[in-house]
Amino acid sequence: GDSVTQMEGPVTLSEEAFLTINCTYTATGYPSLFWYVQYPGEGLQLLLKATKADDKGSNKGFEATYRKETTSFHLEKGSVQVSDSAVYFCALSESARLTFGEGTQLTVNP
Amino acid sequence: GAGVSQTPSNKVTEKGKYVELRCDPISGHTALYWYRQSLGQGPEFLIYFQGTGAADDSGLPNDRFFAVRPEGSVSTLKIQRTERGDSAVYLCASSQVGGKYNEQFFGPGTRLTVL
Repeated sequence: GDSVTQMEGPVTLSEEAFLTINCTYTATGYPSLFWYVQYPGEGLQLLLKATKADDKGSNKGFEATYRKETTSFHLEKGSVQVSDSAVYFCALSESARLTFGEGTQLTVNP
Repeated sequence: GAGVSQTPSNKVTEKGKYVELRCDPISGHTALYWYRQSLGQGPEFLIYFQGTGAADDSGLPNDRFFAVRPEGSVSTLKIQRTERGDSAVYLCASSQVGGKYNEQFFGPGTRLTVL
């Protein structure tokens, strides 16, 4: 069945540092890929998505590229801010349901 | 506009009791989803409605769990004979239509605690 594996957390960075959160997936077909974010005290919200191979999703300075050859969708940001502190979830969808990774807690210190 | 709302926000019950969790999707969204999130884990899919019918209920863990969406809008997740292992945050999401391309909008969740 489908699965998503994220790098283990938690991740702690200083403000303006470079961020990478690794995500790899297993799927039988051609899924859409997503990054969702959960800020403290808030619900899950979509950060970015990519629906086919080599697509790049981007939003709020975050980027991720759909790599079919390595079955990966790593999240990157060039310069993190304190306000980026949250839990990040990688997810895939082959039909309608989403399959999520376990989440990565990011803390950014000033 | 209003987002997805869920009630109650918190529910504490005793083992063996029956509970109902309600979800109000975004107006006009035909697809509705239920997920369950245990502490420190990602959400796990339970069931997906397209309109009034359950298009995929393969994530329901056993026959104690049941969900309805009789008029294609509000949905209720029903759990019979609750067990301590049912304690989790239950998330509802909706999208304009179902399918792998469509963004799902999540509600704030109902935190269920079974004592």
